[in-house]
Amino acid sequence: KAGVTQTPRYLIKTRGQQVTLSCSPISGHRSVSWYQQTPGQGLQFLFEYFSETQRNKGNFPGRFSGRQFSNSRSEMNVSTLELGDSALYLCASTNSEGTEAFFGQGTRLTVV
Amino acid sequence: SQKIEQNSEALNIQEGKTATLTCNYTNYSPAYLQWYRQDPGRGPVFLLLIRENEKEKRKERLKVTFDTTLKQSLFHITASQPADSATYLCATAWDNYGQNFVFGPGTRLSVLP
Repeated sequence: KAGVTQTPRYLIKTRGQQVTLSCSPISGHRSVSWYQQTPGQGLQFLFEYFSETQRNKGNFPGRFSGRQFSNSRSEMNVSTLELGDSALYLCASTNSEGTEAFFGQGTRLTVV
Repeated sequence: SQKIEQNSEALNIQEGKTATLTCNYTNYSPAYLQWYRQDPGRGPVFLLLIRENEKEKRKERLKVTFDTTLKQSLFHITASQPADSATYLCATAWDNYGQNFVFGPGTRLSVLP
């Protein structure tokens, strides 16, 4: 069974630009969550999608948005990038019981 | 708001010893706690889950305890090996519905040969 796949692995963007990250969950998993990880703040929850609907949202500004497609694949978008958005962005899909998160390798975003 | 703390940012132990990592939570009574391992530049990997009605859970050299009175979980690695060196994260869900996990800051474990 293939794991969670995130693309791209690395990105360098300029302040003010926007970026879209992609996540393909494990086959059969309907819940996809996104997290931001930085050395100072640790792993922070961004939002969760289930069956194409945002079910939960963390405490991030509206510049961070996402969506989920009918095949459960998800995208995350960050608009008007700031230097502080530089981080490892992780996507996770969960098992049917909702008790275990399977993470992708992450996308390392650097904003310059 | 819900908060998870891990008592050590870093922990160094000698190979063969038992590593004990601590996770404390506040403002919440989770139905379960999870432990993950994260290697540099990679996503966390699920290790163990312990429910509130379970005192202890084991998996090979790993053991997790859950004390709802102390609001604490302990994670033990027995007979530690250099390959166990990684960052260990504890996590819980805000509720039993949805995947909005709250993660602790992690403890970076180094097992010295």
